[in-house]
Amino acid sequence: EAQVTQNPRYLITVTGKKLTVTCSQNMNHEYMSWYRQDPGLGLRQIYYSMNVEVTDKGDVPEGYKVSRKEKRNFPLILESPSPNQTSLYFCASSPSTDTQYFGPGTRLTVL
Amino acid sequence: AQSVTQPDIHITVSEGASLELRCNYSYGATPYLFWYVQSPGQGLQLLLKYFSGDTLVQGIKGFEAEFKRSQSSFNLRKPSVHWSDAAEYFCAVGTWTDKLIFGTGTRLQVFP
Repeated sequence: EAQVTQNPRYLITVTGKKLTVTCSQNMNHEYMSWYRQDPGLGLRQIYYSMNVEVTDKGDVPEGYKVSRKEKRNFPLILESPSPNQTSLYFCASSPSTDTQYFGPGTRLTVL
Repeated sequence: AQSVTQPDIHITVSEGASLELRCNYSYGATPYLFWYVQSPGQGLQLLLKYFSGDTLVQGIKGFEAEFKRSQSSFNLRKPSVHWSDAAEYFCAVGTWTDKLIFGTGTRLQVFP
């Protein structure tokens, strides 16, 4: 089944404790992206990658890192999480010039 | 500046009634246009998309949308709403080589 998977789905952590949210797609898509969703703000792009070893900042990259060492994986790294990064995170992937397919989301709470 | 506006934060309709969700955008060129739906606790599912050609686009679940270049709009419609349509709806614009910009969403509530 073609899909985008994210792990974990739910995470509660404390300020400053490094964490990684994994994202994997099995559709051989070149393009992958991370978004955060906050009430009243819709989805905002954090980082995106147009292919392996090619990443770029989105609208709200501060406090986040990403890497794209393999085509299928695009982990989101929070080196020192803060409470303002409490949010719902979505990973998405897309073939060129077409629709983005979204993962199920990761709900992160930073205490 | 590129932007997407969904002017209705919350809409309530009766089951069986017609529906129109509004979306206006500001973009330098004709972008790709999308409508996504998010059911409670779920990810985003694509309803329909417009890249070019016929300005009336048919999607899944009986939804359609019309691209009106002169009004910079891409409104979503459904002739008869079902209770299962209750969800949040997002309009998005962008291209593959540019970021996808989302509106803030419209929450649809359906009364029996």
